[in-house]
Amino acid sequence: QSALTQPASVSGSPGQSITISCTGTSSDVGGYNYVSWYQQHPGKAPKVMIYDVSNRPSGVSNRFSGSKSGNTASLTISGLQAEDEADYYCSSYTTSSTLVFGGGTKVTVL
Amino acid sequence: QVQLQESGPGLVKPSETLSLTCSVSGGSVSSGSYYWSWIRQPPGKGLEWIGYIYYSGSTNYNPSLKSRVTILVDTSKNQFSLKLRSVTAADTAVYYCARYIAARTSFDYWGQGILVTVSS
Repeated sequence: QSALTQPASVSGSPGQSITISCTGTSSDVGGYNYVSWYQQHPGKAPKVMIYDVSNRPSGVSNRFSGSKSGNTASLTISGLQAEDEADYYCSSYTTSSTLVFGGGTKVTVL
Repeated sequence: QVQLQESGPGLVKPSETLSLTCSVSGGSVSSGSYYWSWIRQPPGKGLEWIGYIYYSGSTNYNPSLKSRVTILVDTSKNQFSLKLRSVTAADTAVYYCARYIAARTSFDYWGQGILVTVSS
């Protein structure tokens, strides 16, 4: 299985909104509403920010939102804050009952 | 609060077998709601899903690693384990254990990770 495709980096100024894309195929992203997003700060374990495409776990800021269109899922961070600077990964369930991650996107707050 | 903790050797020789254990507290590996997973991250690179196991012993693995990987669960010890055979330098990574919640199709709890270096 191939990794999902994410941009290597995205940047924005404080207060702005940014969107990270995650492109797969009809065998993963496009086939199920089973996309999740993770935030990882340096030296730390990832933390789930979005599950099932657009749902936020308890405790995650409503500045984080998710969506999907066809084979591409997206994570939007609105009102960008310094603490949002981190690496972000998408993940999807696949038709083989396996899981696959995206290559990761480094978010920089300018 | 659920906690996961990886343990095992931090250094493995090439061609040998990498063996790690994940101890779970605050929850049970026997719960039917979760899949217990291993994920790795080479230094400076992205996450790679290795595989998962259900409490019944049913497993599924990343096709690219399937021939070298075995994941087992020990319900009596509330642990699950990873064995990766015939390792090379490319297997050097931080290895995470994590709980995959089926109802939310996401990894909701993670261990802190353990760095395993493959070197002679």
